[in-house]
Amino acid sequence: SQQGEEDPQALSIQEGENATMNCSYKTSINNLQWYRQNSGRGLVHLILIRSNEREKHSGRLRVTLDTSKKSSSLLITASRAADTASYFCATGYGGATNKLIFGTGTLLAVQP
Amino acid sequence: NAGVTQTPKFQVLKTGQSMTLQCAQDMNHEYMSWYRQDPGMGLRLIHYSVGAGITDQGEVPNGYNVSRSTTEDFPLRLLSAAPSQTSVYFCASSLRDLPNYGYTFGSGTRLTVV
Repeated sequence: SQQGEEDPQALSIQEGENATMNCSYKTSINNLQWYRQNSGRGLVHLILIRSNEREKHSGRLRVTLDTSKKSSSLLITASRAADTASYFCATGYGGATNKLIFGTGTLLAVQP
Repeated sequence: NAGVTQTPKFQVLKTGQSMTLQCAQDMNHEYMSWYRQDPGMGLRLIHYSVGAGITDQGEVPNGYNVSRSTTEDFPLRLLSAAPSQTSVYFCASSLRDLPNYGYTFGSGTRLTVV
């Protein structure tokens, strides 16, 4: 079964607005990552947050991690039409195996 | 250019046929993984490898075999294709000491089994 679940499943906003996506997971993790997938393309890594970190920024992206609630959020500020894509959280866990398990994704549509 | 290369990009198979999806990376990454992506299901882990000669099963391994004879290559074999294996397949790789740039993904193989 999927390790992570994103919420909402779909999100539609206007250009310039902020977009927030949430991810919940089930087991203890070493790290949590967010990826973007444009339609028909491969996945692109956005940001990685380790289990001992609570917040991380990268450009217009802000990620938070709450290990007590087993949840993470991805905030995209000042959204652009080019941000239209599916966003996935992925959790890495397991000592030497470092498996990466994905959630089901949030489809973000940014209207110009 | 450094990265993960998947071939072929598209493939149509008849039920019962076998084939190998190729994956190669030139970044000296220890970890490599295969995922399949189906509509509404996200990505599901098929098999993964932590180094040459070491492989393990993921969430949905049935019907697939892998081997890792070199650090660079991680082929995925479909033993006897079934319509349920129609999907988009992605290969990914990473350094063992996971860097802040996470996993690198290939561009995918779109497989249709008829």
